[in-house]
Amino acid sequence: LAKTTQPISMDSYEGQEVNITCSHNNIATNDYITWYQQFPSQGPRFIIQGYKTKVTNEVASLFIPADRKSSTLSLPRVSLSDTAVYYCLVVASGSARQLTFGSGTQLTVLP
Amino acid sequence: SAVISQKPSRDICQRGTSLTIQCQVDSQVTMMFWYRQQPGQSLTLIATANQGSEATYESGFVIDKFPISRPNLTFSTLTVSNMSPEDSSIYLCSVDTGSVSYNEQFFGPGTRLTVL
Repeated sequence: LAKTTQPISMDSYEGQEVNITCSHNNIATNDYITWYQQFPSQGPRFIIQGYKTKVTNEVASLFIPADRKSSTLSLPRVSLSDTAVYYCLVVASGSARQLTFGSGTQLTVLP
Repeated sequence: SAVISQKPSRDICQRGTSLTIQCQVDSQVTMMFWYRQQPGQSLTLIATANQGSEATYESGFVIDKFPISRPNLTFSTLTVSNMSPEDSSIYLCSVDTGSVSYNEQFFGPGTRLTVL
């Protein structure tokens, strides 16, 4: 499984766009990039997944360059409730389905 | 999607005792997993709970310490045996609903265990 590297923490202010970058230099051809969000005292929650280029849903956008060695999670106009830990995961397609969580990024949104 | 409940939500236990954590899903799912999250740390996969057969354990976790049952497609239990203070963690179960295109897992709220 490809190892991921992301910043330990980030601060932002309400209303700003937040970009969290993740490095995954050893990503394999059949791997997907997946992001989870975890609030205190809750289990992680799936945010978004992509393979290449750009994916957007109602919560976030995910940008993946052509070499797929990194990815950027973009959260538009964050609010205080977006304060959470964000995990970048590289997940192999197919039947294995296990998730390997890295250290995550603690995002703190300030008023 | 899937809604997952865990019991108990938290417990305080004495050293040397055992605790069984229950995970209930509101629909039949193929794959269920158990994770541990130590204070301030990330999640670590303990094992995959296989329906009708023994669980598959990750490196560093053994069946004698963390026996797992999976009697049907909606329920699983994890037992933390012969507990020590180092077992104080949050234990989470998750399910994979088996979507072909997404490896999306749904997590329970977790069981916060404190061992004295």
